[in-house]
Amino acid sequence: GDSVTQMEGPVTLSEEAFLTINCTYTATGYPSLFWYVQYPGEGLQLLLKATKADDKGSNKGFEATYRKETTSFHLEKGSVQVSDSAVYFCALSPISSGSARQLTFGSGTQLTVLP
Amino acid sequence: DAGVTQSPTHLIKTRGQQVTLRCSPKSGHDTVSWYQQALGQGPQFIFQYYEEEERQRGNFPDRFSGHQYPNYSSELNVNALLLGDSALYLCASSRLRAGSNQPQHFGDGTRLSIL
Repeated sequence: GDSVTQMEGPVTLSEEAFLTINCTYTATGYPSLFWYVQYPGEGLQLLLKATKADDKGSNKGFEATYRKETTSFHLEKGSVQVSDSAVYFCALSPISSGSARQLTFGSGTQLTVLP
Repeated sequence: DAGVTQSPTHLIKTRGQQVTLRCSPKSGHDTVSWYQQALGQGPQFIFQYYEEEERQRGNFPDRFSGHQYPNYSSELNVNALLLGDSALYLCASSRLRAGSNQPQHFGDGTRLSIL
């Protein structure tokens, strides 16, 4: 079945440092890929998405590129802020036509940014 | 524009009891999915409802059941509660008729604790 493997956490960085959170997936065909962020006490918010190979999703300074050849979707940000502290989830959604598209999530990576 | 709303926010039950969680989807959305998120883990798909029918189901026992109403709101019912059912239950909505690439929007969840 489909699966998502995320970089083990937690990750602690200083403000303005470069961030990379690794994500690889196993799925048949060409799934859609997502990064969601969860702040303490809240639900998940969509951060960015990519729906086909070589697509780059971007939002709020975060970027991730859909790499079919390495089955990866690594999250990057050039300069993190304290406000980026949260749990980040990589997820995939299988290709389907006209039916429900369930999300399969990784285990999450806790990011703490220190001032 | 209200997002996905869930109730209650927190709930405490004892083993063997039954519980009902409620979800109102984002305005304009017609599909509701439910996820279970254990502490420190990524969300796990329970099931999805569209047009008042269960369309897909994850690997959960039939103690977990649901319902969708004509106004697209949904309920998650869990019978014969076990200690292992303690988790954050997340509801997500999307607009299936808009196309299969539409992302899911999540509520803030219901924190269920089993004593």
